[in-house]
Order: sequence, then C-alpha cells, then structure tokens
Amino acid sequence: NSKVIQTPRYLVKGQGQKAKMRCIPEKGHPVVFWYQQNKNNEFKFLINFQNQEVLQQIDMTEKRFSAECPSNSPCSLEIQSSEAGDSALYLCASSVTGDEQYFGPGTRLTVL
Amino acid sequence: AQSVDQPDAHVTLSEGASLELRCSYSYSAAPYLFWYVQYPGQSLQFLLKYITGDTVVKGTKGFEAEFRKSNSSFNLKKSPAHWSDSAKYFCALEGTGYQNFYFGKGTSLTVIP
Repeated sequence: NSKVIQTPRYLVKGQGQKAKMRCIPEKGHPVVFWYQQNKNNEFKFLINFQNQEVLQQIDMTEKRFSAECPSNSPCSLEIQSSEAGDSALYLCASSVTGDEQYFGPGTRLTVL
Repeated sequence: AQSVDQPDAHVTLSEGASLELRCSYSYSAAPYLFWYVQYPGQSLQFLLKYITGDTVVKGTKGFEAEFRKSNSSFNLKKSPAHWSDSAKYFCALEGTGYQNFYFGKGTSLTVIP
C-alpha cells in the first residue's frame, strides 16, 4: 500500500479564496506528481518535481496554481484564487524513477 | 496528440471467468504504458508497466497485459477472476515531455461471486 500522505482530505473554499493542500511523498521517492481528477474521472497532469526542481508543468498551473517541494518539508499545491471549475480531487503521487507512481488518497476540493 | 481510451466504462463478469479490460492509446513514438487499480476507498495502486521488450508483461495480483503495436492496444488480463478483483482500473501512457502522463477514464469491474 502507498505511503503517500495528503492533507487535508477535504477542503471547502469560496470563490476567490486561496486553497492549499500538502503531500508527503514516500521516503526515498525524489519525483512528485500532482494531478487533478474531475467528476468524470478525467485526470489532468498539473506539475511534477524531482527533489525541489520543477520538471514540467502545464499552462494552467503556471498562471493560478503554485507548487513547491522544499527539502525536509511537505510538498504543496496552492490555488491562488479558487474558481468553481477547480472543484476536483487533487492527487499527489511519488516515484523513485518517475514511471511507476505511488498515489496518495487525494484532497477533495469544493469551491462554492 | 497523446491520449488513452478505455472504451468500457463498466464490465461485469462471474467469478472464475477470464477478464480482459481494453485500453487503446494514441502516441507517435514508442509508448510507456501502465495499468493502475483503485479498490473502493483506497488510492490508486500500480499493477504493471510496459516499457520495452516482451509484449506480455506480468504484474502484481496475477494480472498481465499484452502490448500490441499493430492496433495500439494494451489490454489487461487475468484468469480466473476473483470477486476481490472488483475495482476501478485505469490505463495510463507516459508521453512526450518529461514524465507527462495521460490516464484513461477507467473501467469499473464487478466480479460476481
């Protein structure tokens, strides 16, 4: 079973508010991914890191989303100004090599 | 553009039968393909991967998948199926750009005891 920890499990925000979620990857996993899974089960890759460095991120992430993976601290994903369309399950996954991924339980964000 | 299609949203079969979950992909280069499973109330779990080499890859929990370049498929198989295999299964492709992944919408499998 995965040992990726995500907090909080549920997050409710109003439109325009900041929403921040955290992820502790499995020990020894230098690669971390963030995905957004919508109500139709569609996954959208957001960003990934190797150690503290961003490897790749999509345009959406660059504009309203910010993420970091500081050393010796949890990784985080923050939405600067939440919109209704951001309501989704946000999944964090970690990996040793970047292909086989281990997923956390997710943070379910509801934007009212 | 890269994409993954799982054409069957739901599959139901009886315990002891053979299961095959379909996955097709669109990708211009040699694909890296994966299957993940999500049991009720749990996170996604890695099942198996195809990177290169043998076209039939074996994974955890008795599953295997066959890569067929001719029809761009990567179907998941297990025989016999067990009621505990009831879960949602996701096929994924690692695409261009460093470690960019594409997931299918998943197939919900119900195995009737």
